[in-house]
Amino acid sequence: DAEITQSPRHKITETGRQVTLACHQTWNHNNMFWYRQDLGHGLRLIHYSYGVQDTNKGEVSDGYSVSRSNTEDLPLTLESAASSQTSVYFCASSDQAGGEGTQYFGPGTRLLVL
Amino acid sequence: QKEVEQNSGPLSVPEGAIASLNCTYSDRVSQSFFWYRQYSGKSPELIMSIYSNGDKEDGRFTAQLNKASQYVSLLIRDSQPSDSATYLCAVSPSNTGKLIFGQGTTLQVKP
Repeated sequence: DAEITQSPRHKITETGRQVTLACHQTWNHNNMFWYRQDLGHGLRLIHYSYGVQDTNKGEVSDGYSVSRSNTEDLPLTLESAASSQTSVYFCASSDQAGGEGTQYFGPGTRLLVL
Repeated sequence: QKEVEQNSGPLSVPEGAIASLNCTYSDRVSQSFFWYRQYSGKSPELIMSIYSNGDKEDGRFTAQLNKASQYVSLLIRDSQPSDSATYLCAVSPSNTGKLIFGQGTTLQVKP
């Protein structure tokens, strides 16, 4: 069955370290998204991609970067982890066919920055 | 003003009752509207999508959209304890494929 996976599921790191969170989908969806979820803020868009070599900034992109070298993967990199980036991170994908935009979410990664 | 607003709750209803969840949005050109359910510690899962004014029913769930009032709601009939979760309203601006989420409403269904 097609799916979307994230790894690692849990991560503890130290302030200043570079961290990469993986997202892999087997639906062959063109669109992929990264969100963070914090109490009191709901889901906020970090970065998104409409296809290979395409990346775009979302509303909370500072300190994060993404790259899209193939359809299946959109890794999220925290260049220099900060305590404010402690959060739950969700990856999602969608097929814009028909313009409906339904997004399907991965299981999430819990990141703790000490 | 937030782009998508929901009452954070908690909304508490007895088992078997109708739960009514509400959402307002600020962008008049929004085209697509979604309700996601999120259990504690889990990822959001799609319940309903709605694109046209009026009601859309799927089992015990009914989504209602009023674009003139910029309002979308979710009704859950015959609420069950298993419906206890956070319900996220999401709005997609025209032709962007992005979603803007509300903060979510926590629903508690008491046996």
